[in-house]
Parts: sequence; structure tokens; C-alpha cells
Amino acid sequence: KAGVTQTPRYLIKTRGQQVTLSCSPISGHRSVSWYQQTPGQGLQFLFEYFSETQRNKGNFPGRFSGRQFSNSRSEMNVSTLELGDSALYLCASSLALGKYEQYFGPGTRLTVT
Amino acid sequence: TQLLEQSPQFLSIQEGENLTVYCNSSSVFSSLQWYRQEPGEGPVLLVTVVTGGEVKKLKRLTFQFGDARKDSSLHITAAQTGDTGLYLCAGPGNDYKLSFGAGTTVTVRA
Repeated sequence: KAGVTQTPRYLIKTRGQQVTLSCSPISGHRSVSWYQQTPGQGLQFLFEYFSETQRNKGNFPGRFSGRQFSNSRSEMNVSTLELGDSALYLCASSLALGKYEQYFGPGTRLTVT
Repeated sequence: TQLLEQSPQFLSIQEGENLTVYCNSSSVFSSLQWYRQEPGEGPVLLVTVVTGGEVKKLKRLTFQFGDARKDSSLHITAAQTGDTGLYLCAGPGNDYKLSFGAGTTVTVRA
């Protein structure tokens, strides 16, 4: 079975721009979660999607948003980028809501200049 | 938010030595997971512990869940250079969000 894939793997953007990251979960996994990982804050939960609906959200500003499609693929969007948004963005899939075992993709390294 | 504290923050040992990393909280967790993350990659799930007092073994790795389900430990016997990585514990909070500890960076020297 193919693992979680994320595109792109690396991205460089300028302050004020917006960015969209993409995630394809493991086949059969219906829940997709997004995390931000930085050296200072560690791994922080952004949001979780299941059946195309956001089921849970972390403590991030409204500039961070996401969506899930009917095939369980997910995208996250960050608008009006700030320098502090530079991070590794990780997508993880799990079988269903309430199944906390996360299967992570390789991440997208976002650098904001 | 239920916090998970991991210790030590860094650990450097020689190949063949044993090591233990800890994951502690003041809150009770219904389950805890352990992940290993290598540079440039996403975390990989190692194990889930669910029952208080549970011990799980994965080859040279032994995971233990505390009786009160507030803490967990990971013990590696005869460490190898391939065990190098960031070890993360994680558990679901009352808000159903998964919280991660800050991690223990383990370096195994050849």
C-alpha cells in the first residue's frame, strides 16, 4: 500500500503571499490531519478532516485553512504568509475519526522570506 | 490541553549501549503512541499502548505504559546507529486533539 504523499516537498514564498499544500492519504484512510513542526514549538496540531468536514481545529489564526475532497485527499492553505510560518507542514492520515494512530507523509518544508 | 513532557531532551550514546526515554504528564491518557522521526522525513508510528501497566516489545525496543496511564517509557537495548532519530510520544486530549511531546533526540555513535 502506498504511503501518505505530500506535494510539493519544498517551497519558498515571500511574506504576504499565500500557499496551498496538498496531501493524499493512504488508500482507505478517511481522516486527514495537518500539523506544523518548528524547532521552537515542536509538533502542533492544525486541524483534522473527516468526510469532507473539519472535525477539530488547533490554536492557529484564521489564515490557516483546509479542506478535504470526496476521495479523502486534502489541501491546506495559508494566506498572507508571515516569516513565522516557516516550518515543516506534515499531513497524517488515519483509518477513521477517533483512531489516533497517525501515518505521516514526508512533509512540505515551507520557507517564508 | 494535556501536556506531555519528554526527557531527556538530548541523548548521545555509543553503539551497543542501552537507553531509556520518558514521557510524563499530570493527566490521564486513554492511549499513548510513540513515533520516531528521522531528518527530512515525517514521524513513523512505532507503537500504541492502551492498558495501564502494559508492556510491548518491538525487537530491541520495549515500551511501557504507567499503571495510572499518565506516563510511558521507551527502552532500547543494544542501540544501533539506525536507532538515531527524534522520538516523540503523543496522546489524545479530552478535546480529541492529539498532543505531542517536544521529543527526545537520540544519537547513537558508531
